[in-house]
Amino acid sequence: QQPVQSPQAVILREGEDAVINCSSSKALYSVHWYRQKHGEAPVFLMILLKGGEQKGHEKISASFNEKKQQSSLYLTASQLSYSGTYFCGTEPNRDDKIIFGKGTRLHILP
Amino acid sequence: GAGVSQTPSNKVTEKGKYVELRCDPISGHTALYWYRQSLGQGPEFLIYFQGTGAADDSGLPNDRFFAVRPEGSVSTLKIQRTERGDSAVYLCASSEVSGGKTDTQYFGPGTRLTVL
Repeated sequence: QQPVQSPQAVILREGEDAVINCSSSKALYSVHWYRQKHGEAPVFLMILLKGGEQKGHEKISASFNEKKQQSSLYLTASQLSYSGTYFCGTEPNRDDKIIFGKGTRLHILP
Repeated sequence: GAGVSQTPSNKVTEKGKYVELRCDPISGHTALYWYRQSLGQGPEFLIYFQGTGAADDSGLPNDRFFAVRPEGSVSTLKIQRTERGDSAVYLCASSEVSGGKTDTQYFGPGTRLTVL
């Protein structure tokens, strides 16, 4: 039931783009994306709901393919501040508990 | 405004002891969640409160774990007879739930529990 994230880790140079994927074996109602820096709390990025549109703000956006039960997070022209671990959390039905993936570690080099 | 706060930030205890972890949610948030995060893993759901009642406690690993939220605000996670395997960061999150809609969860900084 836990969503699978890929890649597990990625290293980029500042200004490069990244895509982080999240796949579930079950139908989904929503996908939640969070970023967590070492020793800190996870910080909310965005929620994608079933039937909703692709979301994004500035250089971080995400898509949700309901048929494939997949979501992707797109980081464009990455900045040093984007470094951290990105978690997707999936909600099988409305108001179910969120189940988080194991995370994708992103390291941005100057 | 103030975010979710958790105390203590670190707790070291001995195997077999009892511990209490406290969470102060964002004011006005009716939903409160407890998660456990082990090294290299995502947050693992433990329990969810809607107001004073536990709406879903299916994530509690066994009966040594218990949580309360008596006045619908502050919550305490209680662990009896701690074991070394309980060592983890315990995260609390709160959200503003309206009409049963999925809402953003705001996380606290966590309590790092170490059982020796």
